[in-house]
Amino acid sequence: QSVLTQPPSVSGAPGQRVTIFCTGSSSNIGAGYEVNWYQQFPGTAPKLLMYDNNNRPSGVPNRFSGSKSGTSASLAITGLQAEDEADYYCQSFDGSLRDVIFGGGTKLAVL
Amino acid sequence: QVQLVQSGAEVKKPGASVKVSCKASGYTFGRFAIHWVRQAPGHRLEWMGWINAANGKVHYSQNFLGRVTITRDTSANTAYLDLSGLTSEDTAMYYCARMYTTGWRFDYWGQGTLVTVSS
Repeated sequence: QSVLTQPPSVSGAPGQRVTIFCTGSSSNIGAGYEVNWYQQFPGTAPKLLMYDNNNRPSGVPNRFSGSKSGTSASLAITGLQAEDEADYYCQSFDGSLRDVIFGGGTKLAVL
Repeated sequence: QVQLVQSGAEVKKPGASVKVSCKASGYTFGRFAIHWVRQAPGHRLEWMGWINAANGKVHYSQNFLGRVTITRDTSANTAYLDLSGLTSEDTAMYYCARMYTTGWRFDYWGQGTLVTVSS
């Protein structure tokens, strides 16, 4: 199954900026399918954090931003806060498989 | 408000089947597709398949073909996931999620149902 590739972990100090990258291929992100991001805390369901590459659902702070270029996408978090410590997943659609695909998840540690 | 409420935890023996339900409320059930996603302990989110709640059409991930069946009961505003031939590798949290009307994003999720497969 086609998947999206994310770094297993990233870290940053409070107040800093971190970026999480998500790499796909020509059959998913590169084919023009949108990228969505989810935030997941331990023991809870994922929550939609960013949709259609760079749109924040109501209630998500503007410290979070997203972008997409070519076969990759990224999620940036500025002004890092302790409460941002969570797992982050990118998600898209693969046009060849006709399947929804997820990245492997990135654990964010706030030092 | 939109809610997806799933059935409770299950413990199954290898080779058995499990059926998980997902009851929707707070919106018109037939307007939004329901997807099923699972997450084994310490692992990534894994998409399993989806159902068009209006007409019942389904699409399954190749990884689960032959073992998974997704259905819905529009009179009960409920979607179901049936997984057969369980092995220990199917031990996971199973989530239902509502797909927004446009794009392939999931705007609401159920609370999850833990399925444990153990002899």
